[in-house]
Amino acid sequence: DADVTQTPRNRITKTGKRIMLECSQTKGHDRMYWYRQDPGLGLRLIYYSFDVKDINKGEISDGYSVSRQAQAKFSLSLESAIPNQTALYFCATSDGTSLIFGPGTRLTVT
Amino acid sequence: QKEVEQNSGPLSVPEGAIASLNCTYSDRGSQSFFWYRQYSGKSPELIMFIYSNGDKEDGRFTAQLNKASQYVSLLIRDSQPSDSATYLCAVTGGATNKLIFGTGTLLAVQP
Repeated sequence: DADVTQTPRNRITKTGKRIMLECSQTKGHDRMYWYRQDPGLGLRLIYYSFDVKDINKGEISDGYSVSRQAQAKFSLSLESAIPNQTALYFCATSDGTSLIFGPGTRLTVT
Repeated sequence: QKEVEQNSGPLSVPEGAIASLNCTYSDRGSQSFFWYRQYSGKSPELIMFIYSNGDKEDGRFTAQLNKASQYVSLLIRDSQPSDSATYLCAVTGGATNKLIFGTGTLLAVQP
């Protein structure tokens, strides 16, 4: 099984809809992250969590929220999706050194 | 000035040649430096990391760090077509202690 899994892998949604992206990891790491990747802008940090009770905003958290349901699970929500949230979203986990990324979710907001 | 800068490329090299990928960073307090490889449509995967000035070798890959010049590079020896990918530089340990990614360099190895 993959170390980090993300669901769904692809999603098309309409403006104004609420959507949740889910992430699970089997590494037993405390740290989990959500990034988005846009062409020409690279990977940008949305939210991160160092344990179940610790949630922190990244550089582009506006319009997003997260929930750390357990050590292994970290979900990202878009309360009211807008077209400029169309991007490739990656979840990642870390033991404090390097990141292990999930396969990504390609989200399109029309 | 971007915090982590990379030339977007594409960098084209012939098979068997040395590919040299470069990255500069703005926060002089940065302490940890990472190189990730990302194939088109896939997630980034760690190639190697370096903490100390000098060179670090792992197989065909060598990372070079020069903190005085705020410069980190990745050399790929005997480049193969399978090395064709985007290479992301990432830096952490500075004022914010956040991991900051560059936008990546696209490497194309020509058979």
